[in-house]
Amino acid sequence: NAGVTQTPKFQVLKTGQSMTLQCAQDMNHNSMYWYRQDPGMGLRLIYYSASEGTTDKGEVPNGYNVSRLNKREFSLRLESAAPSQTSVYFCASSRTGGGWSSYEQYFGPGTRLTVT
Amino acid sequence: KQEVTQIPAALSVPEGENLVLNCSFTDSAIYNLQWFRQDPGKGLTSLLLIQSSQREQTSGRLNASLDKSSGRSTLYIAASQPGDSATYLCAGMRSSASKIIFGSGTRLSIRP
Repeated sequence: NAGVTQTPKFQVLKTGQSMTLQCAQDMNHNSMYWYRQDPGMGLRLIYYSASEGTTDKGEVPNGYNVSRLNKREFSLRLESAAPSQTSVYFCASSRTGGGWSSYEQYFGPGTRLTVT
Repeated sequence: KQEVTQIPAALSVPEGENLVLNCSFTDSAIYNLQWFRQDPGKGLTSLLLIQSSQREQTSGRLNASLDKSSGRSTLYIAASQPGDSATYLCAGMRSSASKIIFGSGTRLSIRP
């Protein structure tokens, strides 16, 4: 049981390049999330997917797109990277739909992205 | 803007002490409050989740409480150990997944 996995662990991009961050979970969770973590700003929600086939914007969605490929996988795409997108990106998942542990979030190890 | 505030930002205590980390929030619609631990360069590890109906959760040496009326949650760590050194974050969640707000964290250092 690997929990939440993310690839790649590190990435350096030039301004204007595109890339996709991959996330997968093996806990049969319905909901998945993408966050970015910046010094002094804390963790901010970029996009989330409450269930397979649905996605919604979070606090800072501009410059990103997401795809909920299936129940296990949720990818984050940067179409034209900018230096302001230099950050650590975390994927998370949670079981929703009832029970006391609803919404407890489990995090992946993160992707450290630098845009030059 | 709804906020989650953690005070203090950093704390250093000798091993063996009991300590309390604070989390305050302005959003009265917060439904769940989750505490995490983050080690340097790592992801977040869930410690405790408190639903508003529960008010308190315990796991080993950790105890977390939630008081929605005052907009506060506390994480109590008993008999602290050097291995407890990490950044502790709290996150307030509404019943909808669309609104999850993290505090900036308390960086805890336990001196041997």
